[in-house]
Amino acid sequence: DTEVTQTPKHLVMGMTNKKSLKCEQHMGHRAMYWYKQKAKKPPELMFVYSYEKLSINESVPSRFSPECPNSSLLNLHLHALQPEDSALYLCASSQDKFQGARIEKLFFGSGTQLSVL
Amino acid sequence: KQEVTQIPAALSVPEGENLVLNCSFTDSAIYNLQWFRQDPGKGLTSLLLIQSSQREQTSGRLNASLDKSSGRSTLYIAASQPGDSATYLCAAPAETSGSRLTFGEGTQLTVNP
Repeated sequence: DTEVTQTPKHLVMGMTNKKSLKCEQHMGHRAMYWYKQKAKKPPELMFVYSYEKLSINESVPSRFSPECPNSSLLNLHLHALQPEDSALYLCASSQDKFQGARIEKLFFGSGTQLSVL
Repeated sequence: KQEVTQIPAALSVPEGENLVLNCSFTDSAIYNLQWFRQDPGKGLTSLLLIQSSQREQTSGRLNASLDKSSGRSTLYIAASQPGDSATYLCAAPAETSGSRLTFGEGTQLTVNP
């Protein structure tokens, strides 16, 4: 199994809602990532988990709250989002975190297309 | 700070043509670089992860090269097909530590039947 599975594929939410994005991988990868991607732009890193511990938070607003319940699962909890948060949210995993300037092969999920009204 | 540039931004070719996508990076203190493909509204698919020691890596009709000394990588697609239409992104390590990638802006490829 070389897949990263993300649910839901599409999500529409109001600014007062609370929702969660889910990501799952069964490749035994120990590093997991959340990226945000706006249309026609490259992905932007939000969070990195390594061995289930948060290792990078790219100064993301607190209305985004990541959680790594176990080595296979990664969640992104959303609360009080703004319309400008509408984007494609991508989860990725790699065998391990990067070692210096040596990157690992990244496996991406198909993403959650989020619209905030 | 690593900067990655991809040229051209868009490319339209007839089916069957061989083509080259270019990626340049500013910090050559890297061990490897990754090429991705992205279809509209979908996630990224890793195509090739090329090590600086390899200089070239092949997967099917794809061939990637990496020249650290010149700060360049190229992705060669042979005998292009309409199914190759997608955005191609290259990504290099953003720094000497951490797990950050610097992505290029991508090349949007259209292969016409």
